[in-house]
Amino acid sequence: AQKITQTQPGMFVQEKEAVTLDCTYDTSDPSYGLFWYKQPSSGEMIFLIYQGSYDQQNATEGRYSLNFQKARKSANLVISASQLGDSAMYFCAMRPLNFNKFYFGSGTKLNVKP
Amino acid sequence: GAVVSQHPSRVICKSGTSVKIECRSLDFQATTMFWYRQFPKQSLMLMATSNEGSKATYEQGVEKDKFLINHASLTLSTLTVTSAHPEDSSFYICSASGGAAPNEKLFFGSGTQLSVL
Repeated sequence: AQKITQTQPGMFVQEKEAVTLDCTYDTSDPSYGLFWYKQPSSGEMIFLIYQGSYDQQNATEGRYSLNFQKARKSANLVISASQLGDSAMYFCAMRPLNFNKFYFGSGTKLNVKP
Repeated sequence: GAVVSQHPSRVICKSGTSVKIECRSLDFQATTMFWYRQFPKQSLMLMATSNEGSKATYEQGVEKDKFLINHASLTLSTLTVTSAHPEDSSFYICSASGGAAPNEKLFFGSGTQLSVL
């Protein structure tokens, strides 16, 4: 079974601080991709970062980094130096090699406080 | 990143009418397009997967005759909500991928808010 779990429905973080959004996954596929997307109130889905299951290093994209722990099947998103514009819904997603689909978690609503 | 254009962004229609939503990949060839539905404060629910030139694959519980999906070219897919009813009111998002490999990103349209009166 393919499954993505985000256990934090809502998170608060102070502006300029770092925050970690949790994501765990389950798949029988040996090869898969892990993604994080941001959805502001406008509704658009914005790609943030990608991690391949065979990548040796954790992915980083600017203020975003992915804490990939393969043995634990977790792919947590770390946002450093939070900004007010980071307030949004964040979705973790997985794309297994043998399934031409993206599986999304339930999302985490992040609120950045000034 | 790649651009996916979705129109209209918002549509209000009367119950019983049909509504067509277009999704275009503007700068890449989308071998696969996905249509999602999203209820307020909830995750994306995959409705169907469409590959260019073939019939769409619908997820369990999604009515094929209700939600008609056409993927006639590598850059265009359409979703037609036939005989819309108030319970069809929702946010619909299309997405496109250039390939089926695990590292192929999914690029999203900006979504369509459908309100059926």
